Amino acid sequence: EAGVTQFPSHSVIEKGQTVTLRCDPISGHDNLYWYRRVMGKEIKFLLHFVKESKQDESGMPNNRFLAERTGGTYSTLKVQPAELEDSGVYFCASSQGAASPSTDTQYFGPGTRLTVL
Amino acid sequence: QKEVEQNSGPLSVPEGAIASLNCTYSDRVSQSFFWYRQYSGKSPELIMSIYSNGDKEDGRFTAQLNKASQYVSLLIRDSQPSDSATYLCAVNAGGFKTIFGAGTRLFVKA
Repeated sequence: EAGVTQFPSHSVIEKGQTVTLRCDPISGHDNLYWYRRVMGKEIKFLLHFVKESKQDESGMPNNRFLAERTGGTYSTLKVQPAELEDSGVYFCASSQGAASPSTDTQYFGPGTRLTVL
Repeated sequence: QKEVEQNSGPLSVPEGAIASLNCTYSDRVSQSFFWYRQYSGKSPELIMSIYSNGDKEDGRFTAQLNKASQYVSLLIRDSQPSDSATYLCAVNAGGFKTIFGAGTRLFVKA
């Protein structure tokens, strides 16, 4: 079974440009999460989808970030316009979706390393 | 105060020893606690989860939870060089939101 995949693996853009990151969850996983890790800091939660619905987007840093999951399959995270502080590794994770978050195992993708110059 | 705190390390132990990793959290409401292992340049991988006070054992790994002290630990017995990685403590922060610590780097010397 394929794991969580993310594209691209690396992206280098200039400040002010737009970048779109893609995440393909494990087939059949209803829950999809986006996280970000900036250098030297902890992994931070950005948002959580259940199928195509945003359940919790409390971690989105500002309105330059837009996440979508049309059709409840893959998800995209767009940063527009990108700023220097957006550099970091963006992880996507998916889970089947359990009744309780306690038993909902998240599987992480390899991440996209974003560098904003 | 950080929501989940870990000693950044590095923690260095000889092969065959017990590695002890510690974590404290600030939200008393948290009910679920997780330990992830992350090899350099790789994605985090869940290795243990714990919800009740006490110990939970899985192979060479034991997670310990003390909700009164807001403390979670991970013990790795018979440490192997392949255990060298960063270990991330994570806490459920309500709903399905997970808060991570910055991680502790572990080196197991052969």
